[in-house]
Amino acid sequence: DSGVTQTPKHLITATGQRVTLRCSPRSGDLSVYWYQQSLDQGLQFLIQYYNGEERAKGNILERFSAQQFPDLHSELNLSSLELGDSALYFCASSVAGTGGSYGYTFGSGTRLTVV
Amino acid sequence: GQNIDQPTEMTATEGAIVQINCTYQTSGFNGLFWYQQHAGEAPTFLSYNVLDGLEEKGRFSSFLSRSKGYSYLLLKELQMKDSASYLCASGGDYKLSFGAGTTVTVRA
Repeated sequence: DSGVTQTPKHLITATGQRVTLRCSPRSGDLSVYWYQQSLDQGLQFLIQYYNGEERAKGNILERFSAQQFPDLHSELNLSSLELGDSALYFCASSVAGTGGSYGYTFGSGTRLTVV
Repeated sequence: GQNIDQPTEMTATEGAIVQINCTYQTSGFNGLFWYQQHAGEAPTFLSYNVLDGLEEKGRFSSFLSRSKGYSYLLLKELQMKDSASYLCASGGDYKLSFGAGTTVTVRA
């Protein structure tokens, strides 16, 4: 157990629907990062939050949004889902903004399948 | 921006050595990371280099040359369980940017 908790582990939904993925960071970590990993693709950075504030944004679609709550857990909302959104979504956390010498700690991921 | 290149696949024999190269171009560079990822699982941290030179951790070593934008991960005494994808990632601009990964297959 890495200490980063992601729920749900698996999600199957239909096109056009909306889902929410949840992440609880490792105790003491203030930063949360969301990554998307499609089949045979690398990890694509979506967005980062630090202590409740958005700090960095990557190639996140306008249909996707995220937030970090006062208790530091984060949610990634995906709406108007398309088949191409099917992927593994990872959350990672770190103490500081860039992970320092220990990098990020990743959760086990949520596998989203859009049918 | 970030641009990270690493080979797609490598194959080696059990007990051998494999070197995975990575080149990067990263604004605000603050470190080079290597992660291991087994299929369908989360990436796990292997190593971190922020200064030029070699960092050794058991069977795994990582090297960095900041002036050349180059790093490599060296895997020694390969074991079957080392078959996985190895991700090069550069830190900068408040995030880690990952390469597409190098799939290493270890054969008996």
